[in-house]
Parts: sequence; structure tokens; C-alpha cells
Amino acid sequence: AQTVTQSQPEMSVQEAETVTLSCTYDTSENNYYLFWYKQPPSRQMILVIRQEAYKQQNATENRFSVNFQKAAKSFSLKISDSQLGDTAMYFCAFDPTGTASKLTFGTGTRLQVTL
Amino acid sequence: DTAVSQTPKYLVTQMGNDKSIKCEQNLGHDTMYWYKQDSKKFLKIMFSYNNKELIINETVPNRFSPKSPDKAHLNLHINSLELGDSAVYFCASSREWRSGSPLHFGNGTRLTVT
Repeated sequence: AQTVTQSQPEMSVQEAETVTLSCTYDTSENNYYLFWYKQPPSRQMILVIRQEAYKQQNATENRFSVNFQKAAKSFSLKISDSQLGDTAMYFCAFDPTGTASKLTFGTGTRLQVTL
Repeated sequence: DTAVSQTPKYLVTQMGNDKSIKCEQNLGHDTMYWYKQDSKKFLKIMFSYNNKELIINETVPNRFSPKSPDKAHLNLHINSLELGDSAVYFCASSREWRSGSPLHFGNGTRLTVT
């Protein structure tokens, strides 16, 4: 069974600073998909970034980037120039089939951005 | 212009009742899902539905049943509600099957069973 571990239950960062959220996963698959989703207090789940395992290049979306280390099975999220609106729960997710039918979420990291 | 909409947003009901949550997506996506988020924020898939193929998470009690009248709708029926069913239920959709397409989530339905 696949597992996804987010070892930081809570984190805090000051506005305009950079923060990195960690995620590790366990799998014997060679090709798979990884995601970061955020859940602000409004409760809606929003895609932050997506990474395909067979692509060496780390995915980036504006201020959000990942450090994908396939051999180490690590998929960390870096948020640059943090904004108050980044305050949310962040979930790492692993999809071994591409169908989301076996999509596994981590337990989440609660990020608080402060002034 | 909501992409994935689910109703109601809040649902409070008593044990033993039967209830439904509706979900509609206007994205033209092929696949829809139901997820359950428990009190500790843990998200777990319940069902995925692609072109009339239903994949059930085996841990889901058979009191829960998805109903898909067409590709744009996937409703969730729950019979004989129990206290442990209290959670937030999310509907989601994705563009393509087997392509790692990201999920588009609805705003969730908070179900409280008393």
C-alpha cells in the first residue's frame, strides 16, 4: 500500500519570507503523479502544483515550486514571498495509476502566514 | 460559473435517516469522485466513476451508494446514517482517465449526524 507522510503538522512563516513543506512517500511504482493541494479556511480544495514522476524537471507555478527527489521519494513544496492568502492546510497527494482511484493524501500541514 | 458544485453545503440529520448529496460539474470532465474528510482533516477516496465504470473503495460501507444519471452528475446516497458518518464530503472531477489529471473539488458538504 502506498503511504504519504507529511512530518510537519503545523508551520508558521512571516509575510514575504520563504517556507518549505516536506512530503515523503513510499511506493514500488516507477511512474506516478504527485500533487500539492491547499485547503484555506473556506474549505475548498485547490490544486497548487502537479509533478509527473518521469519528468526530471521540478514543477513550478509562480511562487510555488517543488523539489522532487525520486530516489529519496521526497516531494517538498517551497513557497516564496509568502502572502497572507497562503494561510491554509497543505496536502501532499500521491497517485500511482493516474486515475485518482488510488490517490492517497498525506495528513496535511497547517501553514500560518503572519505579518 | 461554478465548476464543481455540490448541495447542500451543510446537512444536519438524525441517526437512522437517509440523505443525499448532489454534485454537478460543468467542466466536461469524464471522471467524478467522492471523498470523505474526517475530523482530523484526513481525506480518503470513497468512489470514482468513469464512463459508467464504478470503482468502489472497499472500506466504504454499502450504506453509501453513488448514483450517476449522466456524466455531469454524481450524487451520493447514504442510508441509515450513523454518528460516525459525520464528516465533510467532497465531490471532485478530473479531465481524463489514466492521465494524472488533477482533481477539481467542490466546496464540500458538512454532514452532522446527531
